[in-house]
Amino acid sequence: GDSVTQMEGPVTLSEEAFLTINCTYTATGYPSLFWYVQYPGEGLQLLLKATKADDKGSNKGFEATYRKETTSFHLEKGSVQVSDSAVYFCALSPYNFNKFYFGSGTKLNVKP
Amino acid sequence: DTGVSQDPRHKITKRGQNVTFRCDPISEHNRLYWYRQTLGQGPEFLTYFQNEAQLEKSRLLSDRFSAERPKGSFSTLEIQRTEQGDSAMYLCASSPSPSLSSYNEQFFGPGTRLTVL
Repeated sequence: GDSVTQMEGPVTLSEEAFLTINCTYTATGYPSLFWYVQYPGEGLQLLLKATKADDKGSNKGFEATYRKETTSFHLEKGSVQVSDSAVYFCALSPYNFNKFYFGSGTKLNVKP
Repeated sequence: DTGVSQDPRHKITKRGQNVTFRCDPISEHNRLYWYRQTLGQGPEFLTYFQNEAQLEKSRLLSDRFSAERPKGSFSTLEIQRTEQGDSAMYLCASSPSPSLSSYNEQFFGPGTRLTVL
């Protein structure tokens, strides 16, 4: 069945460091891919998305490219800030969006 | 637009009791999802409604769980004969209709934290 695997955390970085959080998926057909973020004390919110192969989603300096050949959707940011400290979830949904599959989450700690 | 709301925010119950949670989606969002999230894990899909029709239900969902969305607006999730393993955060999310550009985005509520003693 469909599933998402993302790198385990926590990931601890210094401010202005480069961030990569790996995400790979297993799915039939052509799913849409998402990154959600959960800041401390807040609910889940969409960070970025990509709906077809080679699409690049971007928001708030974060980027991820839908790579069908490697079944990956890695999250990157060139220079992290303390305010980026949060838990990041990779997710996929099949074409009809009748369900979503989430990874287990990666906690990011950014130190000043 | 007040966002997705869930009630109650916290629920403590004894094993064997029944509990019911309510979700109010963003107005005019015709799609609604329920998830369960345990500590250190991502949300696990439970069920999906499009308007009042329940179109998807996880095979992992026990028969003790039932959900309704009688008028295509708010939804309820009931757990009968609760067990300690049911302790988790229960999340609700809604999405707009496919005719809108944000159709594939989910908007999450704050969740209901269930503790079964």
